[in-house]
Amino acid sequence: AQRVTQPEKLLSVFKGAPVELKCNYSYSGSPELFWYVQYSRQRLQLLLRHISRESIKGFTADLNKGETSFHLKKPFAQEEDSAMYYCALKSFQKLVFGTGTRLLVSP
Amino acid sequence: DAGVTQSPTHLIKTRGQQVTLRCSPKSGHDTVSWYQQALGQGPQFIFQYYEEEERQRGNFPDRFSGHQFPNYSSELNVNALLLGDSALYLCASRSPGQGLDYGYTFGSGTRLTVV
Repeated sequence: AQRVTQPEKLLSVFKGAPVELKCNYSYSGSPELFWYVQYSRQRLQLLLRHISRESIKGFTADLNKGETSFHLKKPFAQEEDSAMYYCALKSFQKLVFGTGTRLLVSP
Repeated sequence: DAGVTQSPTHLIKTRGQQVTLRCSPKSGHDTVSWYQQALGQGPQFIFQYYEEEERQRGNFPDRFSGHQFPNYSSELNVNALLLGDSALYLCASRSPGQGLDYGYTFGSGTRLTVV
C-alpha cells in the first residue's frame, strides 16, 4: 500500500538553526515525491519535486530509496519559513499526502 | 488570474442532507481533482475529472459523486451526510500539457460542517 509518514506534528526551532522535516514513504515501484507548503491563510502550494533536484527558498530534499525517505532540509531557518509542510507521493496521477508537520521558527 | 476558485467557503449542513460544492479551475487547466482534508490530517484523494469523466477514484463511498462541465468547472456532491464528512474540501487543477510532476494548483477549500 502507498503511504507517507511524517512522524513529527510540530517542529519548533530558532531563527538561524538548521531544519529537517522528516518524511518516509511506502511504495512498490519507482517513487515520485513532492513537498507542499501552506503558509498562514494561504493555499496549499508546491514547494519542490524530487525529480527536478531543485532548491527552493533554500530548502532541499533528497530521495533516499534505501531508507525510503525524502526529508526536507534547510541549513538556516527564517521566520517566514513558519508554515505547514506536507510530504506527498505520486501514485497513478494522484497524490498521497502525509499528515503534515507544522514548522515554527522563533526569533 | 484568480487561480482555482471554490464556493462556498463555509457551509453548515445537518446529518442526512445533501451538499454540492463547486470549483472553477485555473485558466488553461482542464483536469480537476477533489481532496478531503479532515482536521489534523493531510488531504485525501476523492476523485479526478478530465474531459467530463471521472478518471480515477479514491477510497470513498458512492455517496460522493462529481461532475465536470464543458468549461472544465466541477462539482462535488455528497449525499446522506454523516458527521464524519465534516472536513475541508479542496479542489485542485492542473494543465493538460503538464503531468502531476508539475504539481497542482489548489483552491482555498470549502469548510463543511455537518451537525
